[in-house]
Amino acid sequence: QKEVEQDPGPLSVPEGAIVSLNCTYSNSAFQYFMWYRQYSRKGPELLMYTYSSGNKEDGRFTAQVDKSSKYISLFIRDSQPSDSATYLCALCRTSYDKVIFGPGTSLSVIP
Amino acid sequence: GAVVSQHPSWVICKSGTSVKIECRSLDFQATTMFWYRQFPKQSLMLMATSNEGSKATYEQGVEKDKFLINHASLTLSTLTVTSAHPEDSSFYICSAPQGGYTFGSGTRLTVV
Repeated sequence: QKEVEQDPGPLSVPEGAIVSLNCTYSNSAFQYFMWYRQYSRKGPELLMYTYSSGNKEDGRFTAQVDKSSKYISLFIRDSQPSDSATYLCALCRTSYDKVIFGPGTSLSVIP
Repeated sequence: GAVVSQHPSWVICKSGTSVKIECRSLDFQATTMFWYRQFPKQSLMLMATSNEGSKATYEQGVEKDKFLINHASLTLSTLTVTSAHPEDSSFYICSAPQGGYTFGSGTRLTVV
């Protein structure tokens, strides 16, 4: 079983749709959960950074963490064509520990 | 916010030569730098963790003699791909844990 699993997509939605991206993980030691957006041939850009279970909202983005189910989600409201990218979930055990990435989900938002 | 500057953005080299990739922390001191490799349409795979003033820690399966990592100062970490071969062609990215893990812009290496 892989440490982090994520549906690779591709996921295609119309502009304005709500997008739901998800990851599952197997190691209960993970405490920090991140979501990154990566455009082609660019480095990942941090979108959300959360600690332990709960919800966090930032603009059109909402991150949810359910440690009991080992399940994390990223919701994008009012999706825009500029949101078209690969979205990577990432986890680590402590704040300065190495980060384990999910395989990424490719998202296309169609105008 | 924390910024990591990575150079070069892209490089083409001949087989058998060595290539050095630099990552600099611009507005903070990075005692730790993570180095990743990413193949097309795949996720980031951690290669090694560099620590200022000590030896790097390599992930299983990564050849330490091929991928030399140096972290000589608190603002500079380097990855040198030695005796590069076409299979080393990939996207290499560094990351510092500050700022929720800040990434460099990546280096696309093509070995011909």
